[in-house]
Amino acid sequence: GDSVTQMEGPVTLSEEAFLTINCTYTATGYPSLFWYVQYPGEGLQLLLKATKADDKGSNKGFEATYRKETTSFHLEKGSVQVSDSAVYFCALSDQGGGNKLTFGTGTQLKVEL
Amino acid sequence: EAGVTQFPSHSVIEKGQTVTLRCDPISGHDNLYWYRRVMGKEIKFLLHFVKESKQDESGMPNNRFLAERTGGTYSTLKVQPAELEDSGVYFCASSPGTGVHEQFFGPGTRLTVL
Repeated sequence: GDSVTQMEGPVTLSEEAFLTINCTYTATGYPSLFWYVQYPGEGLQLLLKATKADDKGSNKGFEATYRKETTSFHLEKGSVQVSDSAVYFCALSDQGGGNKLTFGTGTQLKVEL
Repeated sequence: EAGVTQFPSHSVIEKGQTVTLRCDPISGHDNLYWYRRVMGKEIKFLLHFVKESKQDESGMPNNRFLAERTGGTYSTLKVQPAELEDSGVYFCASSPGTGVHEQFFGPGTRLTVL
């Protein structure tokens, strides 16, 4: 079945540091890929998505590129801020499966001054 | 426009009791999904409604879980009787129509079974 593997947390960075959160996936079809973010005390919000190979999703300075050859969708940001502290979830959706999402375990990010 | 709402935000019950969680999706969204995150692990799919019909309930753990969606509007998820391993955060999400659409998530219900 489909699965998503993302790097273990927590990740602690200083403000303005470069962020990478690795995500790889296994899927039988041609999934769409997502990054969701959960800020403290809030629900999940879609951060960015990519629906086909080589697509790059971007939002709020975050980027991720759909790499079919390496089955990866790594999240990057050039300069993190304290306000980026949250839990980040990588997920995939196999359209043939009714668009249900398969999530990774989540990576907690803490950004310090 | 109101987002997805869930009630209650927290619930603490004894093992063997019954709990009902409610989700109100965004108005007009045909698709409604339930997910669960247990003990800091991955968020797992439970089931998917299209309007009032169950499209996919392959993620429901066992027959102690019963989900309904009255008239294709709000949905309830009942756990009866609750067990310790049912503790976790239950998320509801909704999306419009067909095709690959963003799922809009509610804040979740944190269920603790003692």
